[in-house]
Amino acid sequence: EAQVTQNPRYLITVTGKKLTVTCSQNMNHEYMSWYRQDPGLGLRQIYYSMNVEVTDKGDVPEGYKVSRKEKRNFPLILESPSPNQTSLYFCASSLGLTSGFLSYEQYFGPGTRLTVT
Amino acid sequence: LAKTTQPISMDSYEGQEVNITCSHNNIATNDYITWYQQFPSQGPRFIIQGYKTKVTNEVASLFIPADRKSSTLSLPRVSLSDTAVYYCLVGDENKAAGNKLTFGGGTRVLVKP
Repeated sequence: EAQVTQNPRYLITVTGKKLTVTCSQNMNHEYMSWYRQDPGLGLRQIYYSMNVEVTDKGDVPEGYKVSRKEKRNFPLILESPSPNQTSLYFCASSLGLTSGFLSYEQYFGPGTRLTVT
Repeated sequence: LAKTTQPISMDSYEGQEVNITCSHNNIATNDYITWYQQFPSQGPRFIIQGYKTKVTNEVASLFIPADRKSSTLSLPRVSLSDTAVYYCLVGDENKAAGNKLTFGGGTRVLVKP
């Protein structure tokens, strides 16, 4: 079954304690992305990756890191989480560039609800 | 930044057709228009994508006028389970921004019995 998986689904942590949220897709997609969703602010892109070892900032990258060492995995790293990073996080993947056009047909993971106290 | 404008909310009744219009005045020449559906606490789900004129699939239709400055998602004969938030998405017309994607605020559709 084609899918995007995220782990953990729920996480409560304390300020400053480094954490990693994993994301994996089994569709051989090139484009992967992380979003956060907050009430009243909608979905905001944090980072995206066009392919292995190619990452770039989205609209809200501050306080986050990502890496893309393998095509299927795109972990989100919070080196020193703060309460304002409490949010619902989604990972997504898509084919990427096809004949010069970026496909916006993204497949989203189930989400990770993070609480930082 | 790419900007899309949608109505904040819409109410409808079971069996009716729902049409949601998205404005994207600055869409780039080679960008597609994509629509997503999202239920509470779930990831958005791809519904339909188009470039021009009309696209139809088993779930919805997408109408795009010649100037492509707007698009209309049409949901035929909605049911209670179509209650969700619907997002239209286009790329960033400023290609110096790379391949960043910016979602708009979405339209909250409530289907009543």
